[in-house]
Amino acid sequence: DIVMTQSPDSLAVSLGERATINCKSSQSVLYSSNNKNYLAWYQQKPGQPPKLLIYWASTRESGVPDRFSGSGSGTDFTLTISSLQAEDVAVYYCQQYYYTPPGFGQGTKLEIK
Amino acid sequence: QVQLQQWGAGLLKPSETLSLTCAVYGGSFSGYYWSWIRQPPGKGLEWIGEINHSGSTTYNPSLKSRVTISLDTSKNQFSLRLSSVTAADTAVYYCASLYCSGGACYSFFDYWGQGNLVTVSS
Repeated sequence: DIVMTQSPDSLAVSLGERATINCKSSQSVLYSSNNKNYLAWYQQKPGQPPKLLIYWASTRESGVPDRFSGSGSGTDFTLTISSLQAEDVAVYYCQQYYYTPPGFGQGTKLEIK
Repeated sequence: QVQLQQWGAGLLKPSETLSLTCAVYGGSFSGYYWSWIRQPPGKGLEWIGEINHSGSTTYNPSLKSRVTISLDTSKNQFSLRLSSVTAADTAVYYCASLYCSGGACYSFFDYWGQGNLVTVSS
């Protein structure tokens, strides 16, 4: 299976500051035929299912605030929250969907400093 | 707006069969793909498998021998059965829909059920 590794495991950021979460896949998730990276990001708050934030590594899901952005290609990806809000406290997961089985990172817990 | 509502038994004994059902409301059922994902308490997410509109399934190899995902198009529902459960199968189980666009579906998930905690204990 493809291994997805996120860093850091936890992160504390001040309100209004930038938060950056990294995700590395053990193999490239870039499909050369369409030049798309098969990488998604989710936000999960306690007691709730995950919420889709980003897909194709950088496409924001409808309704997701533009302070959330995704970047990267191949094996290395980043989720950035440009100005942290209190409601962004959550666990964030990356997921590759290039290979079967689809696989998730271990999660990064984001807190307020 | 698609909504997924799921239900099933929450407490099982070792060796029993887990059974969950997910109903789809507010969107087209046919033409889409559906999945089950689980999350052990305090841990990360594990994809269990998926089923397409014609009933073709793909399972996680780690669970394949014990998993069955099925479809009831007349009720806009799909179901999960996991046999011979052990304590390691204790988790919150989610149903979810795959993202579909332009006639193709991709194994990331745009709508989720509320989750069911299934506990396996003697």
